[in-house]
Amino acid sequence: DTAVSQTPKYLVTQMGNDKSIKCEQNLGHDTMYWYKQDSKKFLKIMFSYNNKELIINETVPNRFSPKSPDKAHLNLHINSLELGDSAVYFCASSQGRGANNEQFFGPGTRLTVL
Amino acid sequence: GDSVTQMEGPVTLSEEACLTINCTYTATGYPSLFWYVQYPGEGLQLLLKATKADDKGSNKGFEATYRKETTSFHLEKGSVQVSDSAVYFCALTASGGYNKLIFGAGTRLAVHP
Repeated sequence: DTAVSQTPKYLVTQMGNDKSIKCEQNLGHDTMYWYKQDSKKFLKIMFSYNNKELIINETVPNRFSPKSPDKAHLNLHINSLELGDSAVYFCASSQGRGANNEQFFGPGTRLTVL
Repeated sequence: GDSVTQMEGPVTLSEEACLTINCTYTATGYPSLFWYVQYPGEGLQLLLKATKADDKGSNKGFEATYRKETTSFHLEKGSVQVSDSAVYFCALTASGGYNKLIFGAGTRLAVHP
């Protein structure tokens, strides 16, 4: 069973479209994250939710809106997609939001904006 | 702000060679330090971690020691295998109380038979 899963794995879309990426974890964790990895492999945190509450919100355009319907799910909706949004988006989860808690990563969603 | 600097890759080695990937950090307070590995086409996996000064993290033959005096956490392995080919990321948990990982730029390792 996959611990942290993401759908879709690949997403190709046109500029200006709105798209969503879904993430689910079956580890029983209460904290989830979204990271963006750019074309140079640089990874940066975008958001984090703990028990459905937003606790980390980095400087991300407000076209990006995370939604956590329950502890096991954290979705990422992106409005008005731009070329610069092309990247691999990783979801992660951890048990607790403390600094030493291991984060488990999903396989990533490769978003390509044309 | 907090940051992590890693040696640039790619690092190309022959099988059974010794590996060192340098990592230094800047942080307020006392961060926890991590090495994550990303195999081709996969997500990141935690390789090892250290939570306080002089701690040594180890896993799968890899080791790294938390050196507060030099603000470093270099990754080492005595004998690499082809299966170790991957991208390695050094990271720390940023100050502020939450589990926010700050990553280095990643170092690609290619091991040839």
